[in-house]
Amino acid sequence: GAVVSQHPSWVICKSGTSVKIECRSLDFQATTMFWYRQFPKQSLMLMATSNEGSKATYEQGVEKDKFLINHASLTLSTLTVTSAHPEDSSFYICSAKYLAGVGETQYFGPGTRLLVL
Amino acid sequence: GQQLNQSPQSMFIQEGEDVSMNCTSSSIFNTWLWYKQDPGEGPVLLIALYKAGELTSNGRLTAQFGITRKDSFLNISASIPSDVGIYFCAGQPQGAQKLVFGQGTRLTINP
Repeated sequence: GAVVSQHPSWVICKSGTSVKIECRSLDFQATTMFWYRQFPKQSLMLMATSNEGSKATYEQGVEKDKFLINHASLTLSTLTVTSAHPEDSSFYICSAKYLAGVGETQYFGPGTRLLVL
Repeated sequence: GQQLNQSPQSMFIQEGEDVSMNCTSSSIFNTWLWYKQDPGEGPVLLIALYKAGELTSNGRLTAQFGITRKDSFLNISASIPSDVGIYFCAGQPQGAQKLVFGQGTRLTINP
């Protein structure tokens, strides 16, 4: 299947700093990538849809100025958590849209665990 | 908004038993996807379904796209310890790029 990577896999930062998370599609081009947040024992919560070469579309309640998304190439999208606070600590997962011929699907990265102290 | 009702929320079974879980919705979906997530990892795609009535297998896993396009089930036959994890269904509404996720089914297997 298609492979999606994320970097870093985990990060610890001080409150007030910014953190950048990278999402890469390794063996396919992805015009669309998605960023999710997951709290313990809960399902995935979509934060935003990232389209290559255009502005991201944010879900209701997600602050676009706090969670900056850039999708500058067909294989890379980045999520920057600006001025991070402890409540931003979470598991962040990206996915990339993959066209399978008969339809489309999403392949997920391994996730990035963020801890803000 | 659209919601998927996934059941059961959790299952405790003996190794070797068969497993069945399902997702239902009040809305129509064009695509149904089933994922498995291990602790601390991202979801891994198990089966993708694109046509109403479609029945697809992947090893010991079988999934079907309901004929009404509002439901899907996943069966696991002869469970083994590595089947432990959380299984999520996800549906893609018509005309939408994003997925709607179920709440997940946590599978625990007693050896």
